[in-house]
Amino acid sequence: QITLKASGPTLVKPTQTLTVTCTFSGFSLTTFGVGVGWIRQPPGGALEWVAITHWDGDRRYNWSLQSRVTITQDTSKNQVVLTMTDMDPVDTATYYCARATWNRFDYWGRGNLVTVSS
Amino acid sequence: EIVLTQSPVTVSLSPGERATLSCRASRNINTNWLHWYQQRPGQAPRLLIYATSSRATGVPDRFSGSGSGTEFTLTIAGLEPEDFAVYYCQQYADSPPVFTFGPGTKVDV
Repeated sequence: QITLKASGPTLVKPTQTLTVTCTFSGFSLTTFGVGVGWIRQPPGGALEWVAITHWDGDRRYNWSLQSRVTITQDTSKNQVVLTMTDMDPVDTATYYCARATWNRFDYWGRGNLVTVSS
Repeated sequence: EIVLTQSPVTVSLSPGERATLSCRASRNINTNWLHWYQQRPGQAPRLLIYATSSRATGVPDRFSGSGSGTEFTLTIAGLEPEDFAVYYCQQYADSPPVFTFGPGTKVDV
């Protein structure tokens, strides 16, 4: 059974750094063609891809966020961590992690709602 | 960068009716790289259709996808109560690698 779960703070202050962790089970991030990505969704809004890390260690970012975002993986712990610096109220969203098989997200975890407010 | 447009924004239908949802791309997409997701209220999205027309595991056969080039369609033949949700299309482009979601279509009662 494949599961993913995003965890992290629910409230961060403007200019702070957000760190959210995806803990997964039921698959290996070293399997050919597999990746773990982060997708966010503002309240009442649409989905926006943020970043992805692949089985071979390759990492890709949404160009509009790449100056503020870092994705790392710890395959021994089955975790993927997203760091986003200089948080702003517009970054308020539910942050989802999802397994990617090639170019589609086939398993999603329950998201972590992050509110940016002073 | 490819932009996805979905129409209609909202469609109001009754159980048993047929829903036809459109996803239009700003330029041609590889059919292997166009996917559809369903998001029910308060839930995470769920992969519904991948590579334009293949149903994901466990997806009922009343869901079907079609299309090519810049025009793609998700059809729900005979709406069930659990199908009232928001549907997103998603595409992948490889130069540079990017995943893009459409703005979504809400299927309402």
